[in-house]
Amino acid sequence: DSGVTQTPKHLITATGQRVTLRCSPRSGDLSVYWYQQSLDQGLQFLIQYYNGEERAKGNILERFSAQQFPDLHSELNLSSLELGDSALYFCASSVTTTADTQYFGPGTRLTVL
Amino acid sequence: EDQVTQSPEALRLQEGESSSLNCSYTVSGLRGLFWYRQDPGKGPEFLFTLYSAGEEKEKERLKATLTKKESFLHITAPKPEDSATYLCAVQDYGQNFVFGPGTRLSVLP
Repeated sequence: DSGVTQTPKHLITATGQRVTLRCSPRSGDLSVYWYQQSLDQGLQFLIQYYNGEERAKGNILERFSAQQFPDLHSELNLSSLELGDSALYFCASSVTTTADTQYFGPGTRLTVL
Repeated sequence: EDQVTQSPEALRLQEGESSSLNCSYTVSGLRGLFWYRQDPGKGPEFLFTLYSAGEEKEKERLKATLTKKESFLHITAPKPEDSATYLCAVQDYGQNFVFGPGTRLSVLP
């Protein structure tokens, strides 16, 4: 158990809908990272937050957005969902702004029908 | 654009048969190279971070090394519980991460 929690574990929804994924980092970690893992694309970095502020952006679509709240939990919002958005979404956390040691959560499996 | 490739795609070893996994990378400015282990349906588990060419790190049966163009993950006398997908990733100074496709390792008893 990494200490990072993600909810929900599974999510099934329809195309065009909007969903919110939630992540609670390990106690004491200030950075949160979001990743998408699909069979054809592998693990892709989406976005990083540090202590409430956006720190780095990867291959995040404009339909996706994230935020980190004062209690350091983070949410990833996915809107106008498409079939291709079906994937495992992982959250990771680390103590500092650099990802020297990232701890990954168990993931949320999103299925878009 | 940063790129990471890994070879082989899959590797089957007998228990005790040592081998190496390769990670080749191109990056604008390497801030760090990371190795992770991932079991099916689970999140990646951190193994090592390497920062500069010539650096080596060890943990139990695993040893990671780094050159200017590639990294190797050496597995000595593997056990069945070492079976997993091993992922390599690079981070550039823009804080972007790029992951390789992984090597699926199977260790047979």
